[in-house]
Amino acid sequence: NAGVMQNPRHLVRRRGQEARLRCSPMKGHSHVYWYRQLPEEGLKFMVYLQKENIIDESGMPKERFSAEFPKEGPSILRIQQVVRGDSAAYFCASSHRDYPYEQYFGPGTRLTVT
Amino acid sequence: DQQVKQNSPSLSVQEGRISILNCDYTNSMFDYFLWYKKYPAEGPTFLISISSIKDKNEDGRFTVFLNKSAKHLSLHIVPSQPGDSAVYFCAATINAGNNRKLIWGLGTSLAVNP
Repeated sequence: NAGVMQNPRHLVRRRGQEARLRCSPMKGHSHVYWYRQLPEEGLKFMVYLQKENIIDESGMPKERFSAEFPKEGPSILRIQQVVRGDSAAYFCASSHRDYPYEQYFGPGTRLTVT
Repeated sequence: DQQVKQNSPSLSVQEGRISILNCDYTNSMFDYFLWYKKYPAEGPTFLISISSIKDKNEDGRFTVFLNKSAKHLSLHIVPSQPGDSAVYFCAATINAGNNRKLIWGLGTSLAVNP
């Protein structure tokens, strides 16, 4: 399967715990994006990364959220000290550098904070 | 402030007929537009895009029309098939520099009845 892979598909955390969401981009894609979909809302851009670089994090909450895309391995979206309002579907997408807007999405990680 | 609006939450059409999904935007800086399709429990799938230098783009059964003066675009699916039943999202962006942020509508749920 050469598509975008995300894991886990479902993640349950208690308030105050940390959540780590992983994303492996499509083969040949060097650009990664994270989006969040809150209940009853549309997709919201969070962050755009290339290998070892955060290009645009204008959609990331200022606190508790961080993202990385290391030279080796998947991209990680990390949420520290989760709160109930972080419960959402988190989607990762990737694109080829020549077609940056044709973004290919993974199946998402559904985070539930109890 | 919803910059990309899909005013019809749902649409129902008969198999073989035309499906027309509409999208309006408010930001005159947007110059690249995309349509995505989403099935339940999956990530969005890229369908078709259009640059603001064009007013029409066609790919098989899918055609996107752009009316810049009205800040309106539409997706036509002809002929509609039951497998087209999904949520359709309109997205827009500004094609400049390192901007890769897609701004999304809330989606229109299409049901194609056999």
